[in-house]
Parts: sequence; structure tokens; C-alpha cells
Amino acid sequence: ETGVTQTPRHLVMGMTNKKSLKCEQHLGHNAMYWYKQSAKKPLELMFVYSLEERVENNSVPSRFSPECPNSSHLFLHLHTLQPEDSALYLCASSQDIDVELDSDEQYFGPGTRLTVT
Amino acid sequence: AQSVSQHNHHVILSEAASLELGCNYSYGGTVNLFWYVQYPGQHLQLLLKYFSGDPLVKGIKGFEAEFIKSKFSFNLRKPSVQWSDTAEYFCAVNHPRSAAGNKLTFGGGTRVLVKP
Repeated sequence: ETGVTQTPRHLVMGMTNKKSLKCEQHLGHNAMYWYKQSAKKPLELMFVYSLEERVENNSVPSRFSPECPNSSHLFLHLHTLQPEDSALYLCASSQDIDVELDSDEQYFGPGTRLTVT
Repeated sequence: AQSVSQHNHHVILSEAASLELGCNYSYGGTVNLFWYVQYPGQHLQLLLKYFSGDPLVKGIKGFEAEFIKSKFSFNLRKPSVQWSDTAEYFCAVNHPRSAAGNKLTFGGGTRVLVKP
């Protein structure tokens, strides 16, 4: 399989549940990202990882906990979420986070549609 | 903080009509500019990008965009749209040689509906 894949594609969870979103990239990239896409709001960057190290935490609440065990996999662990956390969560990857390089285009996965009840 | 504005939230037009989507950004330094497209049920895909050089950028599927630095704009155009261009279009910016690195700031998106 090529590109960036995300599982599950849809998730419904209660506010007391714990769940995880998974992202895998098959592009040999070094950087991975989590974005949140809410209705009527711009895409918001949540986390950035470069070579498995977190380089950005964009003021995201602690109920979202990312994990990057290797450069091909990225997880987003969810616990005690709120209904306003319902959104489409997008994963992306790029060759690097250094934008001096021409190859810094970000490739996006299909997203996980999360509904918090 | 930097921001990206897309002026039209929804655009409806007929096949063969011309399309122009506006995008303005607020950052005053050097920028890289992108247009992404999200077709119904599909993931975000890159349409075109500007890093340097010719401010008129050609992308896939007949799209082009023009970077006008003095106006902080990067408008997307297509001379004749097709029904298959129905999608949501996102403008995005990042800032090379800054602490922000490859962190994309997105506009709010424009939903385009092309009627057959």
C-alpha cells in the first residue's frame, strides 16, 4: 500500500473512553503531523514529529497524547474527550521539516472521523 | 500570528465557467504557498505550490495560481471548470528559514460546486 493510511476511518466514543488513532506512511518520510479539521474552522496543526521526536505541540489539551514509535508510524491517544473534540483528524507526512528543501510537500491521509458522544 | 484568508466559503458555477478563488495571507516574510484540494470522500491532495521564481505557477488538472507579493495574495484560477472539479479547496502557507519551519497554516477552505 502506498501513501499515508489512517485507521480507523470512523470512530464513535464516549467521553470516558480511551481510544487511539493510527497513522502509517509508506513514503520514507522523516516528518509526521497531526491536524484537526472541525466544521467551519480552518485546519489546525496539533503536533509535529521529526525523526520520532516531537518538535511542536500547538497548545493541544493533554487529553490528546501523541506517540511516534518510529518514522513510519504515528499514533494519537485519546482519553476523556469532550463533544467539541468531534472532528476529522488528519495525519500528514513530509520528507523533512526543513523547508529549505524543495521536497517539503506534505502528503495527507484520508483522516479519521471522530464523534464524541 | 500569521493567518490565511479565503474570501469565498462557497462557490457555485456551471461547467465551462471560469473559476478564481482568492487567498490572502498575513505574514510579511518569505513564504511558501500551496493550494490543496479535497474531492468528496477523498484525502487532501496538492494542486500546486510556489517556492520561488516565476510567480505564475501551473498545477495539475489545468489549475494555476499567481503569487502577488505586494498584495499578499495567491489566487487560484482555472479558465474552464468541469463537473469533476467539485471539491473543497484550501490555501496554505509555511515560512522557510523561520522557527515555524514546515508548519502549514491553512485558510478556511472554499467549497466549489460545479453544475453539469
